[in-house]
Amino acid sequence: DGGITQSPKYLFRKEGQNVTLSCEQNLNHDAMYWYRQDPGQGLRLIYYSQIVNDFQKGDIAEGYSVSREKKESFPLTVTSAQKNPTAFYLCASSIGGDSPLHFGNGTRLTVT
Amino acid sequence: RKEVEQDPGPFNVPEGATVAFNCTYSNSASQSFFWYRQDCRKEPKLLMSVYSSGNEDGRFTAQLNRASQYISLLIRDSKLSDSATYLCVVPAAGNKLTFGGGTRVLVKP
Repeated sequence: DGGITQSPKYLFRKEGQNVTLSCEQNLNHDAMYWYRQDPGQGLRLIYYSQIVNDFQKGDIAEGYSVSREKKESFPLTVTSAQKNPTAFYLCASSIGGDSPLHFGNGTRLTVT
Repeated sequence: RKEVEQDPGPFNVPEGATVAFNCTYSNSASQSFFWYRQDCRKEPKLLMSVYSSGNEDGRFTAQLNRASQYISLLIRDSKLSDSATYLCVVPAAGNKLTFGGGTRVLVKP
């Protein structure tokens, strides 16, 4: 079955540690996105990539980094510089252009 | 003005009634729009795509008003299972897909 896989589903880290969230898709989609969602809020765009080896900052990129070395993979690193990292992180992909997004199941990150 | 705005609700709807809510956007160049449904603590799921003046899928109707820069979603004959948060998505410059804050709908018996 084609889809987007995010792992792990739940992640716990101590403050000051970097953590990398995995996102893999086998839909052959060119574009991939990372969003963050806080309780009771909408989704905010962190980073997006429209093609391999290229990515752009979204609205809240500070404290995050990404890479897009392979079409299938778009990992997100939450660095210690991110002041409030506890959130629900959603990865999505699309064919690109005016196409809709397909989402993974999300990763809930808790930093204490 | 925010790029995409929605009334957060909640819209309390009696079962069987009709409910409608809007999503306003600022980028007049946007050509496509999407409505997603999100259940509590789950990922959003695509409900409907809107590429022209509107779209209809069963009990759900989306309408686009380009002059006033908003899209609406109407749910007819509401079911208990329609209780969810409805998110609109609008492409901004550079294919940056921007979400509204969501509209919460609660359907009650």
